[in-house]
Amino acid sequence: AQTVTQSQPEMSVQEAETVTLSCTYDTSESDYYLFWYKQPPSRQMILVIRQEAYKQQNATENRFSVNFQKAAKSFSLKISDSQLGDAAMYFCAYRSWKETSGSRLTFGEGTQLTVNP
Amino acid sequence: DGGITQSPKYLFRKEGQNVTLSCEQNLNHDAMYWYRQDPGQGLRLIYYSQIVNDFQKGDIAEGYSVSREKKESFPLTVTSAQKNPTAFYLCASSLQDRGLNEQFFGPGTRLTVL
Repeated sequence: AQTVTQSQPEMSVQEAETVTLSCTYDTSESDYYLFWYKQPPSRQMILVIRQEAYKQQNATENRFSVNFQKAAKSFSLKISDSQLGDAAMYFCAYRSWKETSGSRLTFGEGTQLTVNP
Repeated sequence: DGGITQSPKYLFRKEGQNVTLSCEQNLNHDAMYWYRQDPGQGLRLIYYSQIVNDFQKGDIAEGYSVSREKKESFPLTVTSAQKNPTAFYLCASSLQDRGLNEQFFGPGTRLTVL
């Protein structure tokens, strides 16, 4: 079974600065999908960014980008020019390519990000 | 507007009572999911369904039951067999085909067992 680990329970960043959230995963599969979700105080889960394992190029979405290191099984999230609205719990998630797994996600424990003005 | 609704937002029940959480989606998604969220443990999968009239156990199915009689609906029953039911419950849905399809989440239900 796959596992996802987020080793930073809490992180903080100054507004306008850059912060990187760590995520590692364990899998024996060669193809899979990785996601970062954000959960603000409203508790509504919002997709931030996604990556296919067979693509070497790191995904980017505006101020959000990932550093995907397949050999190291690492999938970190970089937030540039941090804004107060980025304050949230961030979850890393893994999804298998196997049809038998459906589209189920395996989540990490989360990292609580605080943005200081 | 397309989306996922969960009701109620807050739910209080006495210990030993069964309770059913509602989840409805109008996104025409085949797959639906139930997650439980506890502090410091992220989201854990309870049950998921890839098609109507079929569902599979997730990682923590004991003490829970589901049904999938309609594509739009995936209710979760928390039974008296669930030892620690107080938690935040999230429902999600997605397309079933392969690829980078995201899961869309409802607003959640906070269940407190007294």
